[in-house]
Amino acid sequence: GQQLNQSPQSMFIQEGEDVSMNCTSSSIFNTWLWYKQDPGEGPVLLIALYKAGELTSNGRLTAQFGITRKDSFLNISASIPSDVGIYFCAGTTGNQFYFGTGTSLTVIP
Amino acid sequence: NAGVTQTPKFQVLKTGQSMTLQCAQDMNHEYMSWYRQDPGMGLRLIHYSVGAGITDQGEVPNGYNVSRSTTEDFPLRLLSAAPSQTSVYFCASSPTGHPNYGYTFGSGTRLTVV
Repeated sequence: GQQLNQSPQSMFIQEGEDVSMNCTSSSIFNTWLWYKQDPGEGPVLLIALYKAGELTSNGRLTAQFGITRKDSFLNISASIPSDVGIYFCAGTTGNQFYFGTGTSLTVIP
Repeated sequence: NAGVTQTPKFQVLKTGQSMTLQCAQDMNHEYMSWYRQDPGMGLRLIHYSVGAGITDQGEVPNGYNVSRSTTEDFPLRLLSAAPSQTSVYFCASSPTGHPNYGYTFGSGTRLTVV
């Protein structure tokens, strides 16, 4: 079953603001992945993290693999209208792969 | 364009009807899977396949059948649709069975069962 808790569930921010969201688990994860889903489309992989403490950037996006291996964070700097969508964390523990419940982001111009 | 193609994009079924959701990928990926997405539930795995001729159940397999006769195609069958199967369905593929390197998702099929 579901093992990932993602927060916040939704965010409404002004264009230009920075965004932070996180994902926590009760189990140690081996990999953390962050996806973005645009309205009416399937999720697209943004960033993949493979070891504890790893910090990886993709343009204005930065994600970190928590040092305890039980959490991960995604930051978006200087948000723009096209950042709108649902952001999912996902990860692997053992042979299992789980998705978080998503953070819905709305950017107000 | 290379990727995962799902058809149809939208479908309305009556309770008890059957149908097949199609999924095809042209990336020669061994691993393919079906997810359903419901509000507040995230993505839940229905069935998956690690290669042609091999399928297995995921988290929520009841009411769904799959087969994998070719590397490219992985159809999902609803034998007798129920309102609880109203959802958005996503097909995903990956080069190997290990998801560490991410999945490529199709654009989804929005199914309504009335």
